Amino acid sequence: GEDVEQSLFLSVREGDSSVINCTYTDSSSTYLYWYKQEPGAGLQLLTYIFSNMDMKQDQRLTVLLNKKDKHLSLRIADTQTGDSAIYFCAEREAGSARQLTFGSGTQLTVLP
Amino acid sequence: DTEVTQTPKHLVMGMTNKKSLKCEQHMGHRAMYWYKQKAKKPPELMFVYSYEKLSINESVPSRFSPECPNSSLLNLHLHALQPEDSALYLCASSQGQDSNQPQHFGDGTRLSIL
Repeated sequence: GEDVEQSLFLSVREGDSSVINCTYTDSSSTYLYWYKQEPGAGLQLLTYIFSNMDMKQDQRLTVLLNKKDKHLSLRIADTQTGDSAIYFCAEREAGSARQLTFGSGTQLTVLP
Repeated sequence: DTEVTQTPKHLVMGMTNKKSLKCEQHMGHRAMYWYKQKAKKPPELMFVYSYEKLSINESVPSRFSPECPNSSLLNLHLHALQPEDSALYLCASSQGQDSNQPQHFGDGTRLSIL
């Protein structure tokens, strides 16, 4: 079946950029989503990208997609302590009845 | 603020109790979902409702019983749960089950089974 992989932990200093990486195996046209989960809360949709796009930017967030390597990254500029959370990458084949496949999540810790 | 509202936020129940989790959305979405999430793990899909009909049941034990009274509401009825059922239960909705528009999640119900 489809697989989505992420590294488990990332620590950065406040004010630096964070880059959270994700790889996937689906070879079809696919949608890729980034969700943020703060302690005690649900999943907050941050952004999503279709696999025919290379990049998407939304304020401090930049998503880059390398289709050849099936590699997705989420860059957070000027990382703040409020960005500390678990970030989930998720993938879904376009137009398919198959549901979301989540990565394991990356725990981002922002150090003062 | 999330556009998917779940109640209660916390629930503690014994193994013989019967309780219900509730979820509501007013985005006009026609697909609604229940997920179970253990600490530090990704959500696991339990059920999908599409146009108020059960579409997917991911082999969930019968002690969990979903219900979709109308297009805005989704319930999860709980009976005779086990300690391993303690988890965060998340509700989500999307425009349609096959839509590529993203799923929107509620803040969840934290369930503890004594």
